[in-house]
Amino acid sequence: SQQGEEDPQALSIQEGENATMNCSYKTSINNLQWYRQNSGRGLVHLILIRSNEREKHSGRLRVTLDTSKKSSSLLITASRAADTASYFCATGEGGGFKTIFGAGTRLFVKA
Amino acid sequence: NAGVTQTPKFQVLKTGQSMTLQCAQDMNHEYMSWYRQDPGMGLRLIHYSVGAGITDQGEVPNGYNVSRSTTEDFPLRLLSAAPSQTSVYFCASSSTTSGTMNTQYFGPGTRLTVL
Repeated sequence: SQQGEEDPQALSIQEGENATMNCSYKTSINNLQWYRQNSGRGLVHLILIRSNEREKHSGRLRVTLDTSKKSSSLLITASRAADTASYFCATGEGGGFKTIFGAGTRLFVKA
Repeated sequence: NAGVTQTPKFQVLKTGQSMTLQCAQDMNHEYMSWYRQDPGMGLRLIHYSVGAGITDQGEVPNGYNVSRSTTEDFPLRLLSAAPSQTSVYFCASSSTTSGTMNTQYFGPGTRLTVL
C-alpha cells in the first residue's frame, strides 16, 4: 500500500522557475518528511514537518501540511539545475514507526 | 561521525544463496530500518527496530531476517536469494522523541543482483 503518494510523477521546468510537488497520505501521522535522491544515490533529508505545524521553511524550500486533507506540498523556489533529482515524502503509518514512502516526483530543471 | 555505513556496496548472488547485508550507525540512534528500492519506485520498508532486542516487520518482510543485538548494528539476512530480491537496499537510522521517529539518515545503499 502507498501511504504517501506524490503528484506529479514527473516535472520539467526551466532554471529560475518554481517547482511544486504534492503528497497525499492515508492514515494519521505524527510528522511528514521530505527527502531528495540524486540518481543512484542515497536519500538526503530535506524537511520534517510535525502534525501540529502548518508551514515550514528551509532556504529555498517551503513545505505545507494540511492534516484535514491529509496532504502536503513541497515548493522549491528559484530552481537550479542542481535541484534535478527525485523527491519523496514519507510518513509513519498511524503515527508509528512503520515508515511508508511514496513513489516520488522526478524533477528535471533545465539550464 | 561516519553516520550510517553499509557493506558491501555491490553484490551478485546466485538463486538460493544466502548472505548478510551489514549496516552500522555511530549516532546512538534507537531506530534503524531496512528498505528496498526497485527501479523507478519509492522505498519499501522491509524490517525495522526501535532498540536493541526489538524488531518488527515492515511492508515487505518475506525472505528477509533481521536481528538487533547492539544499538549500532542492524544486519539484514537474505535466507535463500531469489531474482525478485534484485534491488537496491538502504539502511537508515533515526533518533526518537516521545515514541515518534525523527529525521532518518540513510546509508549509501547496497546494489544486489540475484541471478
